[in-house]
Amino acid sequence: AQSVAQPEDQVNVAEGNPLTVKCTYSVSGNPYLFWYVQYPNRGLQFLLKYITGDNLVKGSYGFEAEFNKSQTSFHLKKPSALVSDSASYFCAVRDPDYKLSFGAGTTVTVRA
Amino acid sequence: SQTIHQWPATLVQPVGSPLSLECTVEGTSNPNLYWYRQAAGRGLQLLFYSVGIGQISSEVPQNLSASRPQDRQFILSSKKLLLSDSGFYLCAWSKVRGEQFFGPGTRLTVL
Repeated sequence: AQSVAQPEDQVNVAEGNPLTVKCTYSVSGNPYLFWYVQYPNRGLQFLLKYITGDNLVKGSYGFEAEFNKSQTSFHLKKPSALVSDSASYFCAVRDPDYKLSFGAGTTVTVRA
Repeated sequence: SQTIHQWPATLVQPVGSPLSLECTVEGTSNPNLYWYRQAAGRGLQLLFYSVGIGQISSEVPQNLSASRPQDRQFILSSKKLLLSDSGFYLCAWSKVRGEQFFGPGTRLTVL
C-alpha cells in the first residue's frame, strides 16, 4: 500500500528564515506525490505535485519541493518564510486507483 | 474556472438525528468526487469516492452513506448521528488523473 509519513508534528521558524516541512513516502512503483496547505477551518489548497521529471518542483506561494528517490523523501521548502505561511501542511501520495493517502500533517508557525 | 461548494458551513446536531451534507462542483464535467473526514484538525480519512452518477465506493464501515444523484452533486448522509461523527467534513473533486481540489468544508458537532 502507498503511504506517506510526516515526522514532525510542528515546525517553528522565524520570519525570513528558510522553511522545510519533511515528508517520506513508501510506494510500489513510481510515486505520485502532492503537497497541500490548510488554514484554520478551511479546506485544503493544492500547492504542488511530483509526477515525473525534474526533482525540484515549483509550486504556489513561493513553495518548492525536492523529490529524492534514494531517500524516499519529498520535502517542502520555502527560502524565506512569511508570517502568513503559518498553517498546516499535508503531504499525500496517489495510489493506483487515483485515491490520495495523506500524512498526519505538520503545523507550521512563523513568528515575526 | 472550476469551483466547489459545500453547505452548510457549520452544523450542530443532536445524537440520533439525521444528517445531509451537500457538495456541488461547477465548471467541469464527470469529475471524480470524494468525501473526507478530518478529526481534531489533523489527518484526513477518505470516507467515500465516486467516479460517476450512482457509483459510490465506501472506504470505511460506518453509519454514514453517500449518494451522487447528479454528475456534479455529492451528498453525505446519516440516518442517526453518533457523537463520534463530529468532525470537519471535506468534499473534493478531481479529473481522473489530476490533483484533488477541496471545498471549504463543513464543521459538524454532534451533541
